Amino acid sequence: DVKVTQSSRYLVKRTGEKVFLECVQDMDHENMFWYRQDPGLGLRLIYFSYDVKMKEKGDIPEGYSVSREKKERFSLILESASTNQTSMYLCASSYSGGGNEQFFGPGTRLTVL
Amino acid sequence: RKEVEQDPGPFNVPEGATVAFNCTYSNSASQSFFWYRQDCRKEPKLLMSVYSSGNEDGRFTAQLNRASQYISLLIRDSKLSDSATYLCVVNEDSWGKLQFGAGTQVVVTP
Repeated sequence: DVKVTQSSRYLVKRTGEKVFLECVQDMDHENMFWYRQDPGLGLRLIYFSYDVKMKEKGDIPEGYSVSREKKERFSLILESASTNQTSMYLCASSYSGGGNEQFFGPGTRLTVL
Repeated sequence: RKEVEQDPGPFNVPEGATVAFNCTYSNSASQSFFWYRQDCRKEPKLLMSVYSSGNEDGRFTAQLNRASQYISLLIRDSKLSDSATYLCVVNEDSWGKLQFGAGTQVVVTP
């Protein structure tokens, strides 16, 4: 069965802290994605990766960075957390190519105080 | 302007009734189209792809109108378990990057 896991379901951090969100997939997918989801705005793409060590900016990359050292793992880093980064963060993976289904992890609800 | 726009609802539907809703997309070069379903406090999951000729999956029918740049979803004989948010999703490139609408909430009532 297809599986995408995220390191935490809930996380509370303080302003200015460095935050790491980890995502692992077991489907040997080439593509991995990080989104944030906010009420009324839907899912917005932060960063994506088509291959190991490869990353591309999405629609809202400011304040975030990513790392993909292994095919199965894609990390999202908030260098200095701010209150406007309080959100639901969703990781997804898919096979390469357009038109392929994206499989999502359960999400991490991050609160920055 | 958002690239994928949806009526947020909620669409309140009596059990057994039919409900339909649309979404519009702005990029005429969009290549693939999907409906995803998201239950409350859960992750999105693929409901169905949308093909140019229209397609059915059980009680669900999806249509694509490229000329007017909209996609529709129709749910027949609604069940309580159909209550969810339905996300309209568009693929614009050959790599697999997707654009998501903000979702249409459907509430099926007994």
